[in-house]
Amino acid sequence: TQLLEQSPQFLSIQEGENLTVYCNSSSVFSSLQWYRQEPGEGPVLLVTVVTGGEVKKLKRLTFQFGDARKDSSLHITAAQTGDTGLYLCAGGIRSNDYKLSFGAGTTVTVRA
Amino acid sequence: DVKVTQSSRYLVKRTGEKVFLECVQDMDHENMFWYRQDPGLGLRLIYFSYDVKMKEKGDIPEGYSVSREKKERFSLILESASTNQTSMYLCASSLHPGSVNEQYFGPGTRLTVT
Repeated sequence: TQLLEQSPQFLSIQEGENLTVYCNSSSVFSSLQWYRQEPGEGPVLLVTVVTGGEVKKLKRLTFQFGDARKDSSLHITAAQTGDTGLYLCAGGIRSNDYKLSFGAGTTVTVRA
Repeated sequence: DVKVTQSSRYLVKRTGEKVFLECVQDMDHENMFWYRQDPGLGLRLIYFSYDVKMKEKGDIPEGYSVSREKKERFSLILESASTNQTSMYLCASSLHPGSVNEQYFGPGTRLTVT
Protein backbone atom coordinates (compact mmCIF):
# COMPACT_ATOMS: atom_id res chain seq x y z
CA THR A 1 0.00 0.00 0.00
CA GLN A 2 1.33 3.38 -1.09
CA LEU A 3 1.59 6.01 1.64
CA LEU A 4 0.85 8.60 -1.02
CA GLU A 5 -1.99 7.93 -3.44
CA GLN A 6 -1.96 9.75 -6.75
CA SER A 7 -4.92 10.21 -9.06
CA PRO A 8 -5.61 9.79 -11.81
CA GLN A 9 -3.09 7.17 -12.84
CA PHE A 10 -3.26 8.26 -16.50
CA LEU A 11 -4.40 11.50 -18.08
CA SER A 12 -4.57 12.31 -21.80
CA ILE A 13 -5.62 15.78 -22.90
CA GLN A 14 -5.47 18.07 -25.88
CA GLU A 15 -2.96 20.89 -26.04
CA GLY A 16 -4.45 24.05 -24.49
CA GLU A 17 -6.63 22.23 -21.97
CA ASN A 18 -6.19 22.40 -18.20
CA LEU A 19 -5.46 19.45 -15.93
CA THR A 20 -5.19 18.68 -12.23
CA VAL A 21 -3.29 15.85 -10.56
CA TYR A 22 -3.94 14.89 -6.96
CA CYS A 23 -1.73 13.45 -4.23
CA ASN A 24 -3.45 12.22 -1.06
CA SER A 25 -2.47 10.56 2.18
CA SER A 26 -3.83 9.84 5.64
CA SER A 27 -0.46 10.91 7.06
CA VAL A 28 0.78 14.41 7.80
CA PHE A 29 3.91 15.43 5.90
CA SER A 30 6.56 17.90 6.98
CA SER A 31 7.21 18.72 3.32
CA LEU A 32 6.05 17.52 -0.06
CA GLN A 33 7.81 17.57 -3.42
CA TRP A 34 6.58 17.28 -6.99
CA TYR A 35 8.80 15.78 -9.68
CA ARG A 36 8.43 15.35 -13.44
CA GLN A 37 10.07 12.43 -15.19
CA GLU A 38 10.43 12.10 -18.94
CA PRO A 39 10.78 8.66 -20.54
CA GLY A 40 14.25 7.20 -20.04
CA GLU A 41 15.33 10.00 -17.67
CA GLY A 42 15.49 10.54 -13.92
CA PRO A 43 12.87 12.57 -12.03
CA VAL A 44 13.46 16.32 -11.97
CA LEU A 45 12.40 18.31 -8.92
CA LEU A 46 9.73 20.91 -9.74
CA VAL A 47 8.77 22.31 -6.36
CA THR A 48 8.75 21.78 -2.60
CA VAL A 49 5.86 22.88 -0.38
CA VAL A 50 6.25 23.08 3.36
CA THR A 51 3.46 25.14 4.92
CA GLY A 52 -0.17 24.01 5.12
CA GLY A 53 -2.26 25.96 2.60
CA GLU A 54 0.81 27.02 0.66
CA VAL A 55 0.41 27.78 -3.05
CA LYS A 56 3.39 27.96 -5.39
CA LYS A 57 3.40 28.87 -9.06
CA LEU A 58 5.93 27.83 -11.66
CA LYS A 59 4.89 29.45 -14.95
CA ARG A 60 1.71 27.53 -15.96
CA LEU A 61 2.00 25.07 -13.07
CA THR A 62 0.28 25.74 -9.73
CA PHE A 63 1.04 23.60 -6.70
CA GLN A 64 -1.04 23.58 -3.55
CA PHE A 65 -0.37 21.97 -0.18
CA GLY A 66 -3.47 21.09 1.82
CA ASP A 67 -4.20 22.96 5.04
CA ALA A 68 -3.68 19.78 7.07
CA ARG A 69 -0.49 18.88 5.10
CA LYS A 70 -1.99 15.53 4.08
CA ASP A 71 -2.64 16.26 0.42
CA SER A 72 -1.44 18.28 -2.52
CA SER A 73 -2.48 19.12 -6.06
CA LEU A 74 -0.75 20.13 -9.24
CA HIS A 75 -2.71 22.18 -11.76
CA ILE A 76 -1.44 22.88 -15.26
CA THR A 77 -3.05 25.68 -17.22
CA ALA A 78 -3.11 25.59 -21.02
CA ALA A 79 -1.09 22.40 -21.25
CA GLN A 80 1.62 22.08 -23.88
CA THR A 81 3.13 18.96 -25.45
CA GLY A 82 6.28 19.66 -23.42
CA ASP A 83 4.28 19.00 -20.23
CA THR A 84 4.03 15.33 -21.19
CA GLY A 85 5.64 13.09 -18.58
CA LEU A 86 5.25 11.14 -15.36
CA TYR A 87 4.41 13.38 -12.40
CA LEU A 88 5.45 12.08 -9.00
CA CYS A 89 4.66 13.44 -5.57
CA ALA A 90 6.92 12.60 -2.64
CA GLY A 91 6.89 13.51 1.01
CA GLY A 92 8.78 13.20 4.25
CA ILE A 93 6.83 12.39 7.40
CA ARG A 94 9.33 13.86 9.82
CA SER A 95 11.61 16.80 9.21
CA ASN A 96 14.63 14.72 10.19
CA ASP A 97 13.68 11.70 8.11
CA TYR A 98 16.23 10.77 5.45
CA LYS A 99 13.72 8.92 3.35
CA LEU A 100 10.91 10.08 1.11
CA SER A 101 7.68 8.25 0.37
CA PHE A 102 6.77 8.37 -3.32
CA GLY A 103 3.41 8.15 -4.99
CA ALA A 104 3.04 5.76 -7.91
CA GLY A 105 2.80 8.67 -10.33
CA THR A 106 0.42 10.14 -12.88
CA THR A 107 1.28 9.71 -16.55
CA VAL A 108 0.25 12.85 -18.41
CA THR A 109 0.05 12.88 -22.20
CA VAL A 110 -0.63 16.18 -23.96
CA ARG A 111 -1.69 15.68 -27.57
CA ALA A 112 -0.91 18.24 -30.24
CA ASP B 1 22.73 23.28 -10.16
CA VAL B 2 22.91 19.95 -8.43
CA LYS B 3 24.55 17.39 -10.62
CA VAL B 4 24.11 13.67 -10.09
CA THR B 5 25.72 11.43 -12.66
CA GLN B 6 25.47 7.68 -13.18
CA SER B 7 28.19 5.66 -14.83
CA SER B 8 26.05 4.09 -17.54
CA ARG B 9 22.73 4.90 -19.18
CA TYR B 10 22.24 1.37 -20.51
CA LEU B 11 23.73 -1.94 -19.41
CA VAL B 12 23.17 -5.49 -20.58
CA LYS B 13 24.51 -8.25 -18.34
CA ARG B 14 24.19 -12.00 -18.16
CA THR B 15 22.63 -13.95 -15.32
CA GLY B 16 25.16 -14.59 -12.56
CA GLU B 17 27.46 -11.69 -13.44
CA LYS B 18 28.56 -9.21 -10.79
CA VAL B 19 27.32 -5.75 -11.70
CA PHE B 20 28.55 -2.38 -10.46
CA LEU B 21 26.48 0.77 -10.81
CA GLU B 22 28.27 3.99 -9.89
CA CYS B 23 26.78 7.32 -8.86
CA VAL B 24 28.59 10.60 -8.27
CA GLN B 25 27.18 13.88 -6.93
CA ASP B 26 28.97 17.21 -6.96
CA MET B 27 27.01 19.15 -4.32
CA ASP B 28 28.62 17.87 -1.13
CA HIS B 29 25.36 16.19 -0.10
CA GLU B 30 25.44 13.95 2.97
CA ASN B 31 22.74 11.54 1.85
CA MET B 32 22.68 9.28 -1.17
CA PHE B 33 20.06 6.77 -2.30
CA TRP B 34 19.57 3.92 -4.73
CA TYR B 35 16.08 3.18 -6.10
CA ARG B 36 14.72 0.86 -8.71
CA GLN B 37 11.72 1.84 -10.79
CA ASP B 38 9.40 -0.69 -12.39
CA PRO B 39 6.10 -0.13 -14.22
CA GLY B 40 3.19 -0.26 -11.82
CA LEU B 41 5.44 -0.46 -8.76
CA GLY B 42 6.81 3.08 -8.66
CA LEU B 43 10.12 3.95 -7.01
CA ARG B 44 11.35 1.47 -4.44
CA LEU B 45 14.25 2.26 -2.14
CA ILE B 46 17.05 -0.32 -2.19
CA TYR B 47 19.68 1.24 0.10
CA PHE B 48 20.67 4.63 1.33
CA SER B 49 23.68 6.20 3.00
CA TYR B 50 23.70 9.18 5.35
CA ASP B 51 27.48 9.43 5.70
CA VAL B 52 30.69 7.97 4.34
CA LYS B 53 30.91 4.25 5.11
CA MET B 54 27.40 4.33 6.61
CA LYS B 55 24.52 2.53 4.96
CA GLU B 56 21.01 1.44 5.75
CA LYS B 57 18.70 -1.01 4.06
CA GLY B 58 15.72 0.32 2.24
CA ASP B 59 12.57 -1.55 1.35
CA ILE B 60 14.06 -4.09 -1.08
CA PRO B 61 17.75 -4.73 -0.25
CA GLU B 62 17.81 -8.46 -1.07
CA GLY B 63 20.30 -9.29 -3.81
CA TYR B 64 22.03 -5.92 -3.57
CA SER B 65 24.88 -4.37 -1.62
CA VAL B 66 26.33 -0.85 -1.57
CA SER B 67 29.58 0.93 -0.94
CA ARG B 68 30.31 4.51 0.03
CA GLU B 69 34.02 5.10 0.45
CA LYS B 70 33.92 8.79 -0.48
CA LYS B 71 31.23 11.36 0.21
CA GLU B 72 30.52 12.06 -3.43
CA ARG B 73 30.34 8.45 -4.63
CA PHE B 74 27.78 5.73 -3.92
CA SER B 75 27.98 2.36 -5.63
CA LEU B 76 25.30 -0.29 -6.02
CA ILE B 77 26.47 -3.86 -6.45
CA LEU B 78 24.48 -6.79 -7.75
CA GLU B 79 26.49 -9.75 -6.48
CA SER B 80 24.96 -12.24 -8.90
CA ALA B 81 22.59 -10.64 -11.36
CA SER B 82 19.25 -12.29 -11.99
CA THR B 83 16.59 -11.61 -14.61
CA ASN B 84 14.23 -10.18 -11.98
CA GLN B 85 16.77 -7.40 -11.43
CA THR B 86 16.11 -6.06 -14.90
CA SER B 87 14.94 -2.54 -14.13
CA MET B 88 15.61 1.19 -14.22
CA TYR B 89 18.03 2.11 -11.43
CA LEU B 90 18.00 5.65 -10.10
CA CYS B 91 20.53 7.31 -7.82
CA ALA B 92 19.63 10.38 -5.77
CA SER B 93 21.27 12.68 -3.25
CA SER B 94 20.06 15.15 -0.64
CA LEU B 95 21.39 17.50 1.99
CA HIS B 96 21.21 16.59 5.63
CA PRO B 97 17.48 16.65 6.36
CA GLY B 98 16.04 19.75 7.89
CA SER B 99 12.62 21.17 7.29
CA VAL B 100 12.67 19.93 3.71
CA ASN B 101 14.12 16.78 2.23
CA GLU B 102 14.65 17.41 -1.47
CA GLN B 103 16.23 14.61 -3.41
CA TYR B 104 18.05 15.17 -6.70
CA PHE B 105 18.17 12.33 -9.17
CA GLY B 106 20.62 11.12 -11.75
CA PRO B 107 19.52 10.22 -15.30
CA GLY B 108 19.11 6.54 -14.46
CA THR B 109 20.66 3.29 -15.64
CA ARG B 110 18.50 0.90 -17.63
CA LEU B 111 19.80 -2.55 -16.72
CA THR B 112 18.81 -5.63 -18.65
CA VAL B 113 19.82 -9.04 -17.31
CA THR B 114 19.54 -11.85 -19.83
